[in-house]
Amino acid sequence: GAGVSQSPRYKVAKRGQDVALRCDPISGHVSLFWYQQALGQGPEFLTYFQNEAQLDKSGLPSDRFFAERPEGSVSTLKIQRTQQEDSAVYLCASSLRSRGIGYNEQFFGPGTRLTVL
Amino acid sequence: QKEVEQNSGPLSVPEGAIASLNCTYSDRGSQSFFWYRQYSGKSPELIMSIYSNGDKEDGRFTAQLNKASQYVSLLIRDSQPSDSATYLCAVKSGLGKLIFGQGTELSVKP
Repeated sequence: GAGVSQSPRYKVAKRGQDVALRCDPISGHVSLFWYQQALGQGPEFLTYFQNEAQLDKSGLPSDRFFAERPEGSVSTLKIQRTQQEDSAVYLCASSLRSRGIGYNEQFFGPGTRLTVL
Repeated sequence: QKEVEQNSGPLSVPEGAIASLNCTYSDRGSQSFFWYRQYSGKSPELIMSIYSNGDKEDGRFTAQLNKASQYVSLLIRDSQPSDSATYLCAVKSGLGKLIFGQGTELSVKP
């Protein structure tokens, strides 16, 4: 079946521009996560949705970062007034649920590589 | 101290050997542990999950968990050049987020 999809795969933005990154989770997956991965590092958590509810946004680095999942399926991560330090790969992952053995495994999309000039 | 720590690679093993990747974590209450493989320029791919103490085997991969020592490992038997990648250890925390280690780069030499 179809996995997690993300678009665009690559995005180049000028400093100060706003960007929007899209994630389509696996069909039926309740939980959706956004991570940020810098070169040579492991992914770092940004935010978590259960259906349409954003239950954890503790990892968002500043108020320039905003995420939504209005209908409990597709999610959008928006970054306003991009800065050079926002350059990274943004990964989306989904899982059937957030808890429960065998149900909380997270599957990642291909990521969006953001470069801010 | 980082929440999840891994061997600082790179780790180089000859083809056919056993590769051993290690990970320690700081949250004693953690219950779910995962190993991901990440090829260069690609996204993480789940290869193993483990929830209880002991060993879990899946093909050439064996995950080992010791909650008392807060230690997780991944063994890759009969290593192949195609196993060359970065291996990420992840621990579930809080409401479901994963805390990742920095990853260990594995190189399998033919």
